[in-house]
Amino acid sequence: DSGVTQTPKHLITATGQRVTLRCSPRSGDLSVYWYQQSLDQGLQFLIQYYNGEERAKGNILERFSAQQFPDLHSELNLSSLELGDSALYFCASSAGLEKNIQYFGAGTRLSVL
Amino acid sequence: AQSVTQLDSQVPVFEEAPVELRCNYSSSVSVYLFWYVQYPNQGLQLLLKYLSGSTLVKGINGFEAEFNKSQTSFHLRKPSVHISDTAEYFCAVSTFSGYSTLTFGKGTMLLVSP
Repeated sequence: DSGVTQTPKHLITATGQRVTLRCSPRSGDLSVYWYQQSLDQGLQFLIQYYNGEERAKGNILERFSAQQFPDLHSELNLSSLELGDSALYFCASSAGLEKNIQYFGAGTRLSVL
Repeated sequence: AQSVTQLDSQVPVFEEAPVELRCNYSSSVSVYLFWYVQYPNQGLQLLLKYLSGSTLVKGINGFEAEFNKSQTSFHLRKPSVHISDTAEYFCAVSTFSGYSTLTFGKGTMLLVSP
């Protein structure tokens, strides 16, 4: 158990809909990262938050957004969903910014039908 | 920007045989290197890391990796594999910066058969 909790484990929804994925980092970790894993793109970094502020952006679509709350949990919002958004979404956390040892949650599997 | 190449998408091996999973990286700055393992239907688990110091690093489950700066490689090895090592293995790199995020390779599926 990495200590990173993601909910829900599975999500099935329809095209055009909006969903929210939730992540609770390990106790004491200030940094949260979101990744998308798909068969064609592999594991891709989406966005990072550090102590409530956006820190880095990767290949995140404009239809996607995220935030980190004062209690350090994070949410990834995906809207206007398309079939191609079906993927495994991982959250990871690390204590700080240096050395960057990230611990991953079990992921949320999103299926868009 | 950095990139990671895992040369083999699949590596079949018999139980108790040695294995090497290859990883090469490209970066214009110094890097940290990681190997993660993903068992079927599970998340990513940190196997080992190279941050500094000795270029030979030991991880969990009997795995080790060697950082070779001149060849920009970080190959993963195990002298004797078990059926339970069947999983996907990802090599990843991050840079020395406050914005350090992980760049992953495409992964290598290790298939251990009896």
